[in-house]
Amino acid sequence: NAGVTQTPKFQVLKTGQSMTLQCAQDMNHNSMYWYRQDPGMGLRLIYYSASEGTTDKGEVPNGYNVSRLNKREFSLRLESAAPSQTSVYFCASRTLTGQDEQYFGPGTRLTVT
Amino acid sequence: TQLLEQSPQFLSIQEGENLTVYCNSSSVFSSLQWYRQEPGEGPVLLVTVVTGGEVKKLKRLTFQFGDARKDSSLHITAAQPGDTGLYLCAGARGAQKLVFGQGTRLTINP
Repeated sequence: NAGVTQTPKFQVLKTGQSMTLQCAQDMNHNSMYWYRQDPGMGLRLIYYSASEGTTDKGEVPNGYNVSRLNKREFSLRLESAAPSQTSVYFCASRTLTGQDEQYFGPGTRLTVT
Repeated sequence: TQLLEQSPQFLSIQEGENLTVYCNSSSVFSSLQWYRQEPGEGPVLLVTVVTGGEVKKLKRLTFQFGDARKDSSLHITAAQPGDTGLYLCAGARGAQKLVFGQGTRLTINP
């Protein structure tokens, strides 16, 4: 039982390049989330998916797109990276039945130069 | 504008001391969660509080949800170096979204 996994762990991009961050969970959770974490800002929600086939914008969606490929996988795409997207990105999955628990992946540290 | 304000943002104390971290908002939340995050890792859920006035204990950590469900506190008794980390509170708004505070970076010195 791996929980939430993310790839890659580190990435350096040049301005204008694109990339996809991958996330998978093996806990059979319906809900999945993408956050970014910047110093002094806590975690801010980029996009979320309440169930397979649905996605919704969070607090800071501009410059990002997502795909809920199936129940297990939720990817985040940067089409044209900008230095303002330098951050640590966390994927999470959440069970809303019974005890409300959210589980985070280990994060992807992205630098855009 | 931060919906959830945590205080203090930084705290450095000696081993054995007690401390309290606060999480305040003008908004009502259906539940509130506390996480601890260590360097290079994702946040790990410590507790979820749901009912106004609820108190939960996790060994030396005591969590309280305010009566009006707008604020919460985390109290640590006899802090140990292993308690060092970034503590985050998060409030549930609606069925899906969590709003996070900016975090409290706690350092316990031996």
